[in-house]
Amino acid sequence: AQSVTQLDSQVPVFEEAPVELRCNYSSSVSVYLFWYVQYPNQGLQLLLKYLSGSTLVKGINGFEAEFNKSQTSFHLRKPSVHISDTAEYFCAVSDHDSSYKLIFGSGTRLLVRP
Amino acid sequence: DVKVTQSSRYLVKRTGEKVFLECVQDMDHENMFWYRQDPGLGLRLIYFSYDVKMKEKGDIPEGYSVSREKKERFSLILESASTNQTSMYLCASSSAGGPGEQFFGPGTRLTVL
Repeated sequence: AQSVTQLDSQVPVFEEAPVELRCNYSSSVSVYLFWYVQYPNQGLQLLLKYLSGSTLVKGINGFEAEFNKSQTSFHLRKPSVHISDTAEYFCAVSDHDSSYKLIFGSGTRLLVRP
Repeated sequence: DVKVTQSSRYLVKRTGEKVFLECVQDMDHENMFWYRQDPGLGLRLIYFSYDVKMKEKGDIPEGYSVSREKKERFSLILESASTNQTSMYLCASSSAGGPGEQFFGPGTRLTVL
């Protein structure tokens, strides 16, 4: 069965510094990949998605992610973070065969300090 | 603007009570989902519905049931609430046949005393 690993439960970073949030998935079959963000006391909001094509995907709020099939990874990056980026970030994957179902990672809390 | 709404943001119930969590979406989506979110565990799927009156168990269905009488509405029912069901509950919807992008409601934080 598909699984998603977000190794870092919390990532502290100073404002304007770059950040990378790591995500690895288990299966090498064809997948769709997503990053969601959850601000305090809110639901999840889609940041970006990889469906096909270019392996570098750009999303909202200056975030981007790169799909690496050989390493089964989909790491999220931002070159310069803001205080307002403080939130929890979830990586999710779905198989092409059962695309309705998302498997989520355990989440990474990004804490941006001034 | 697409919207998924949930009936309550915060709910406090007693052990043994029957609890209803309601979710409504205005996007004419076929699929609707109920998740629970717990620290360190991410989101876990409780139940999924792909059409009116159709449902499938997710990864953690024990202690829960669901109802979908209309396309836009999906209810989660805790028949007899227990303290280990204290959690954040998230509803989501998506269109059929797509690559799985789901739209989420704001969540209901349920506390069972």
